[in-house]
Amino acid sequence: KNQVEQSPQSLIILEGKNCTLQCNYTVSPFSNLRWYKQDTGRGPVSLTIMTFSENTKSNGRYTATLDADTKQSSLHITASQLSDSASYICVVRSGNMLTFGGGTRLMVKP
Amino acid sequence: EAQVTQNPRYLITVTGKKLTVTCSQNMNHEYMSWYRQDPGLGLRQIYYSMNVEVTDKGDVPEGYKVSRKEKRNFPLILESPSPNQTSLYFCASSWGGGELFFGEGSRLTVL
Repeated sequence: KNQVEQSPQSLIILEGKNCTLQCNYTVSPFSNLRWYKQDTGRGPVSLTIMTFSENTKSNGRYTATLDADTKQSSLHITASQLSDSASYICVVRSGNMLTFGGGTRLMVKP
Repeated sequence: EAQVTQNPRYLITVTGKKLTVTCSQNMNHEYMSWYRQDPGLGLRQIYYSMNVEVTDKGDVPEGYKVSRKEKRNFPLILESPSPNQTSLYFCASSWGGGELFFGEGSRLTVL
């Protein structure tokens, strides 16, 4: 069964600090992996997409990595801001099928 | 402005009273889907549609119906709502295997 597991489930950091969120998947065959950011009570918004051939991709202070061999991805947030407080969801695509991770709830405190 | 619009955004209803949550997108996307999100659980797919007149069950379809008569609309129907369908619902659309664009969500409470 295709599965996507994210860790940690929740995380509290101080403003200005860095953090890394993890996503491990057992989806096969692999098409792509996206990270979404979901503000409380809002719909998720795509941050970045990783395809099989990509190892690293940045979007401002967000950097995603992908290791297709170990089936792991990470999302690194640099110099966190209060507005980074949200849930981050890893979604892996296999053809027409999507498998969602449970999300990591990040809280950035001043 | 490209968007996915859901209505209503908030609804309180009673057990057994049929309701429909509408979803409309203006991006000419072929793919549309519905999700529910409950505290402590991730997004779970209810139904999805690859194109007009083509719908398929997701992970949690029980108690829900959908239809896709037009490309832009994908309503979610609860024929006989029950309290365990109290949840936050999201509609989303995309081009094929592209980025999902989500609506703002519909918070449903069934008493």
